[in-house]
Amino acid sequence: GESVGLHLPTLSVQEGDNSIINCAYSNSASDYFIWYKQESGKGPQFIIDIRSNMDKRQGQRVTVLLNKTVKHLSLQIAATQPGDSAVYFCAEILSGSARQLTFGSGTQLTVLP
Amino acid sequence: GAGVSQSPRYKVTKRGQDVALRCDPISGHVSLYWYRQALGQGPEFLTYFNYEAQQDKSGLPNDRFSAERPEGSISTLTIQRTEQRDSAMYRCASSPRGDFYSGANVLTFGAGSRLTVL
Repeated sequence: GESVGLHLPTLSVQEGDNSIINCAYSNSASDYFIWYKQESGKGPQFIIDIRSNMDKRQGQRVTVLLNKTVKHLSLQIAATQPGDSAVYFCAEILSGSARQLTFGSGTQLTVLP
Repeated sequence: GAGVSQSPRYKVTKRGQDVALRCDPISGHVSLYWYRQALGQGPEFLTYFNYEAQQDKSGLPNDRFSAERPEGSISTLTIQRTEQRDSAMYRCASSPRGDFYSGANVLTFGAGSRLTVL
């Protein structure tokens, strides 16, 4: 499988606890944000998205919070499970861009038994 | 197909050789994207197509890199005269249409082609 760099921010949580993964985005003109999950050896997989006119969106076991004032996104995972272990990336799209996603640096989430 | 298929999964080549990486998107997907991903980093945009038309190639690092999608389906990313710095995971993604602005229309990524240039 594909290994991740040791310089990745890491988060370790106990199985069943809630996880919070943070992301700072760079451009105040970005108007759409996506969280991706990347398991070892696989491509990024969509988790949840949010538009800039919202500050919170909930999915199944996941919630994304957007704070445009400080350009900050967070992903909350409820009742974290072993299958949640992966690298998580936030991505932003600039308003009016040529549909390019700009990915942030990832966070390695490890769920402890 | 059921997902985005990329080949080869692994490619080892000598510096100076040309390589061609193939992407077979999800059937019917209009848009196809190429990204490059270094270890521990998020994917970095290279280029994308709507149907057979290359809409944006601003992310291609230099003129040794090119991509085509002649029939609006399968795409090939070609790297000429490879250099060691080209070593990376190259990922392809597709979406039903070009507009990202809907959760149901996000990119589906392939497993990637890992290129190693010796």
